Amino acid sequence: EAQVTQNPRYLITVTGKKLTVTCSQNMNHEYMSWYRQDPGLGLRQIYYSMNVEVTDKGDVPEGYKVSRKEKRNFPLILESPSPNQTSLYFCASSLPTGLGGNEQFFGPGTRLTVL
Amino acid sequence: DQQVKQNSPSLSVQEGRISILNCDYTNSMFDYFLWYKKYPAEGPTFLISISSIKDKNEDGRFTVFLNKSAKHLSLHIVPSQPGDSAVYFCAASAGGSGTYKYIFGTGTRLKVLA
Repeated sequence: EAQVTQNPRYLITVTGKKLTVTCSQNMNHEYMSWYRQDPGLGLRQIYYSMNVEVTDKGDVPEGYKVSRKEKRNFPLILESPSPNQTSLYFCASSLPTGLGGNEQFFGPGTRLTVL
Repeated sequence: DQQVKQNSPSLSVQEGRISILNCDYTNSMFDYFLWYKKYPAEGPTFLISISSIKDKNEDGRFTVFLNKSAKHLSLHIVPSQPGDSAVYFCAASAGGSGTYKYIFGTGTRLKVLA
């Protein structure tokens, strides 16, 4: 089954404790991305990756890191989480984005709470 | 500065009637627009898209209209069904300008009443 998986689905942590949210897709997609969803703010893109070893900032990259060492995986790293990073996080993937765009396939989400 | 705006946080429609969800944007470099649907506790799922070279795209009960001069797009659902009750996000990208970011609106919660 074609899918994007995220782990963990729920996480409660404390300020400053490094964490990683994993994302994996089995569709051989080049493009992968991370979003956060907050009430009243919709979905905001954190980082995206056009392909292996190619990453770029989205609209809200502060406080996050990503890496793309393999095509299927795109982990989101919070080196020193803070309470304002409490949010619902989504990973997504798609075929290469050409002159236009392509539909993205989203994971089920990771609800993160930072105390 | 919100580049993609969905000014109606919620919308209620009777089953069988038309649902119209609106989206406005400010960046004239956007060349591709997408609509996603999101149910609670799930990730968004793609619904329909439109390139800036078109003014209409239709897929079954869903039609997206693009008015570039007004920087406005709308999603029409006809006829509306209770299963369409969800949050709808519009999104835009400017891939033609070399940037592959996606900007999403804040969403509109649609409730279709049986």
